[in-house]
Amino acid sequence: DAKTTQPPSMDCAEGRAANLPCNHSTISGNEYVYWYRQIHSQGPQYIIHGLKNNETNEMASLIITEDRKSSTLILPHATLRDTAVYYCIVRPTGRGQNFVFGPGTRLSVLP
Amino acid sequence: NAGVMQNPRHLVRRRGQEARLRCSPMKGHSHVYWYRQLPEEGLKFMVYLQKENIIDESGMPKERFSAEFPKEGPSILRIQQVVRGDSAAYFCASSPKDRDNSPLHFGNGTRLTVT
Repeated sequence: DAKTTQPPSMDCAEGRAANLPCNHSTISGNEYVYWYRQIHSQGPQYIIHGLKNNETNEMASLIITEDRKSSTLILPHATLRDTAVYYCIVRPTGRGQNFVFGPGTRLSVLP
Repeated sequence: NAGVMQNPRHLVRRRGQEARLRCSPMKGHSHVYWYRQLPEEGLKFMVYLQKENIIDESGMPKERFSAEFPKEGPSILRIQQVVRGDSAAYFCASSPKDRDNSPLHFGNGTRLTVT
């Protein structure tokens, strides 16, 4: 079972920031937070991951709370092409640890 | 740097036939994962392999499904005697190492249709 909780759907206006929350209240010390998205049945696309510090790359920013029990993925200027299902996953490092996908958040970017 | 390559992109099989799905990981990646996505459902883990070893097959159906990742060549997911319920998108992912935080990189999948 997925160890994360996400809202099933969200809307965002084109050009505005999209803030996608994820709750992972049972996260343990060696578990990283990963974000993926899946656009219209393509393969999941890796976005970003982090342990406890905030992270930023060319796609998004990841804000992790100090207690690490929740995080937020931020798409700073959403476009129509960002419409997708976004998955938040926690995964420990260590041998044989697979990624468990939950139902994710269906983000709709509206014109 | 080529990504994860899966072929074929689409595969149609009649009930009772065999389906073979291939996955070539990214260059330098020695770990392969297979996932299945039924229509309108989420991704479900099937199996995790290293070269010549199955590490975790806890998500594989007990019968008709098998996977391998030989020393040379792509990883193969094999489904024998397919049934309509096997119709799904099958995604392969790869990573470079096991004992670190490397993300998985996914291919664009093989869509299997059983008629």
